[in-house]
Amino acid sequence: DQQVKQNSPSLSVQEGRISILNCDYTNSMFDYFLWYKKYPAEGPTFLISISSIKDKNEDGRFTVFLNKSAKHLSLHIVPSQPGDSAVYFCAARAFYGGSQGNLIFGKGTKLSVKP
Amino acid sequence: DAGITQSPRHKVTETGTPVTLRCHQTENHRYMYWYRQDPGHGLRLIHYSYGVKDTDKGEVSDGYSVSRSKTEDFLLTLESATSSQTSVYFCAISDSGHTGELFFGEGSRLTVL
Repeated sequence: DQQVKQNSPSLSVQEGRISILNCDYTNSMFDYFLWYKKYPAEGPTFLISISSIKDKNEDGRFTVFLNKSAKHLSLHIVPSQPGDSAVYFCAARAFYGGSQGNLIFGKGTKLSVKP
Repeated sequence: DAGITQSPRHKVTETGTPVTLRCHQTENHRYMYWYRQDPGHGLRLIHYSYGVKDTDKGEVSDGYSVSRSKTEDFLLTLESATSSQTSVYFCAISDSGHTGELFFGEGSRLTVL
């Protein structure tokens, strides 16, 4: 059963507009969430993260929002730029009894930003 | 960039042959991981290591084995490759701590004919 879900395989937005990528999770033990960006033929790179004790984290053009009651998080990119075109992976981690769990990734959303 | 090197970067092999992928890090990070990326599946954890000679299975470990005899090297072995193991394999490293993010290598593309 998929614990981290990215239900939109792709998203297309116009340059300068907002991109919103969504992620849902089912495991209530998840307490740390990350977004990774991946360009073709490269490894994923860390973008931004959020702890479950927060509901928002901002880094420049990137903001992640967490709604724990809905088990939902979203990544906002404002303004979107053509260089943001990539696959974005949502990932989550649980902390079990003093030990960190492994990152669980969603299937990814391919963002295309058109000039 | 984190010092992670994967080799080989590309490999084509035939069904039934053994294959070993190598991940080498220069960061002295404790944790090392092998993921595979497939269309429609995202990134799935194969095996991971939390120290020298300490390894454990991930969610898709069948058909794979790993070894870590040194901090810097983490080997992924396919004892008898199958076509279903055609994939892009990523090594990742992390330092200790719950919020330790993963740093990924550039990937190894394996094709099993």
